[in-house]
Formats: sequence, C-alpha cells, structure tokens
Amino acid sequence: AQSVTQPDIHITVSEGASLELRCNYSYGATPYLFWYVQSPGQGLQLLLKYFSGDTLVQGIKGFEAEFKRSQSSFNLRKPSVHWSDAAEYFCAARAPNAGNMLTFGGGTRLMVKP
Amino acid sequence: ETGVTQTPRHLVMGMTNKKSLKCEQHLGHNAMYWYKQSAKKPLELMFVYSLEERVENNSVPSRFSPECPNSSHLFLHLHTLQPEDSALYLCASSHTPARGTYGYTFGSGTRLTVV
Repeated sequence: AQSVTQPDIHITVSEGASLELRCNYSYGATPYLFWYVQSPGQGLQLLLKYFSGDTLVQGIKGFEAEFKRSQSSFNLRKPSVHWSDAAEYFCAARAPNAGNMLTFGGGTRLMVKP
Repeated sequence: ETGVTQTPRHLVMGMTNKKSLKCEQHLGHNAMYWYKQSAKKPLELMFVYSLEERVENNSVPSRFSPECPNSSHLFLHLHTLQPEDSALYLCASSHTPARGTYGYTFGSGTRLTVV
C-alpha cells in the first residue's frame, strides 16, 4: 500500500540551529512529493514540491528538501531556524498518473527554543 | 489569503443540529477536497470533487454529506453529529493532473465543536 511516514512526531531545536525533518515514502513508482507547513489554527501552506529533475528543491521561507531515491526519502532542511518556524510540518505524496489525491504523513511538530 | 475561503471559521453545534460548512475558491481550479484533521490523527481525506465527479472515503459516516454545485463552491452538510466529529475541517482545491499542476491550496479551516 502507498504510504508516507514521518518518523518524528515532535522535534525541538534552538533558534539559529539547523533543522532536518524526515519523510519516507512507500510507492511502486517515484511519487510527486510535497512539504506543507501548518501554523496553529490555520490551513496548510505549500513549502515546496518535487516532480523530477534536480533532487535538491528550494522552497519558500528558506526551506529546501532533498529527494533520495535510494533511501525513499524527501527530507526537509533549513540551515538556521527562526522562532516563527514553530509549526507542524506535513510531507505528502501523489502517485504519478493516478489521479490527484495526496497521501499525507502524520506530521512533525516543530518547537523552537529561544 | 490563499484564494480558498472557508466559512465559518468556528462552529459549535449540538448533536441534533443541522449545519453546513462552506468553501469557495477563486483560483480557477477544477478539483475540490474536504479533509478532517483531528488531534493526534493523520489528515483524513473525506471527499473529492474533480471535474464534477465525486469520490469519497467509504469510512466517512453518512451524517456528513458533501455538495459541489460548481467548480468554485463546495459545501459539507452536517446532521446529527457526534462529539468525536469535533475537529478542524479543511477544504482544498487544485487543478486536475491534465492541467499540469499538482499541489493543493488549502483554506484556513473550520474548527467544529460538537456538544
């Protein structure tokens, strides 16, 4: 079955430190991959997406993600975290040529220490 | 403002009430979705309307009834809900794959509390 896994439910980092949020997928073919961020009480905002080509994808708010086929991973990174980055982050995937329904991971809640 | 507007933002309803959630998109998308987000649970896809075709998650109870009168508007009609239906209900829209765009745009959600 197709699935998206975010192994870390909670992560706490200090402001200014680097961040990496993990995402693994299980699909027959390489899916299209997405990262979304959700601030408290808000909807989800698209940070970045990967369809093909360059495996390092740049997104908004200084985020980037790297697609690694050998590890079935699409980890989200930021070199220096700001207090405003505290939110919940969702990885999502869609099988190519299989409709437009996204499968979401369980989310990772990021807390930022001053 | 994302271009997807949900109303109301908050709703408290009794178990015998009937209410409706509304979603409107101004992005020219032709697919719309309802998701349920409960505490400590993954996002749950409830319904999809794509090119006027409806797809639903078979585990969604019949007390939730969607309506999509056109490609810009989506409703979720609620009746005789249970306390466990309390959650954040998110609407999203997108182009269908044929149009070459694959991401969703989400609204801010309706926080529903059933008492």
